[in-house]
Amino acid sequence: EAGVTQFPSHSVIEKGQTVTLRCDPISGHDNLYWYRRVMGKEIKFLLHFVKESKQDESGMPNNRFLAERTGGTYSTLKVQPAELEDSGVYFCASSQSMNTEAFFGQGTRLTVV
Amino acid sequence: GQSLEQPSEVTAVEGAIVQINCTYQTSGFYGLSWYQQHDGGAPTFLSYNALDGLEETGRFSSFLSRSDSYGYLLLQELQMKDSASYFCAVSADSWGKFQFGAGTQVVVTP
Repeated sequence: EAGVTQFPSHSVIEKGQTVTLRCDPISGHDNLYWYRRVMGKEIKFLLHFVKESKQDESGMPNNRFLAERTGGTYSTLKVQPAELEDSGVYFCASSQSMNTEAFFGQGTRLTVV
Repeated sequence: GQSLEQPSEVTAVEGAIVQINCTYQTSGFYGLSWYQQHDGGAPTFLSYNALDGLEETGRFSSFLSRSDSYGYLLLQELQMKDSASYFCAVSADSWGKFQFGAGTQVVVTP
């Protein structure tokens, strides 16, 4: 069974540009989460989808971040326009039901220069 | 405020036992999880405690005391491959949203 996959693994963009991160959860997992780890700090929650609906987006930093999960399968996280402080590793995780084991992808390392 | 505290780094020799403590202060609590992450890799699930007590899975065990807002991960018979970062994470609501600690870097030496 394929795990959670994220694309790209690395992205280097200039300040002001747009980047779109993609996450393919494990098939059948209704719950999809986005997290971010900024250098040296803890992994922080961004948002949670249940199927195609946003259950909780309280962790989204600002309106430059837009997440979608059309059809309840893969999800995208767009940053537009990117700022220097957006640099970090963006993780996606999925789970079959709440408060059970969550499976993480390997993350997308975003560097904004 | 809400926080999870765990040591930043622990060093131990092969074969030793390491205990990583985690204290938490969160608005809600549904369970405490532990994840392992090797450099550049995905955080990998190790254990989950929703009730007080000790859960044992092979060389790793996890403990929870909800009254003390405290848990720990015990790594026994340390191996070189156990060198990694270990994160405690609290499920702070019924939807499975995690709040993570900053991670503990475990360094295993020969």
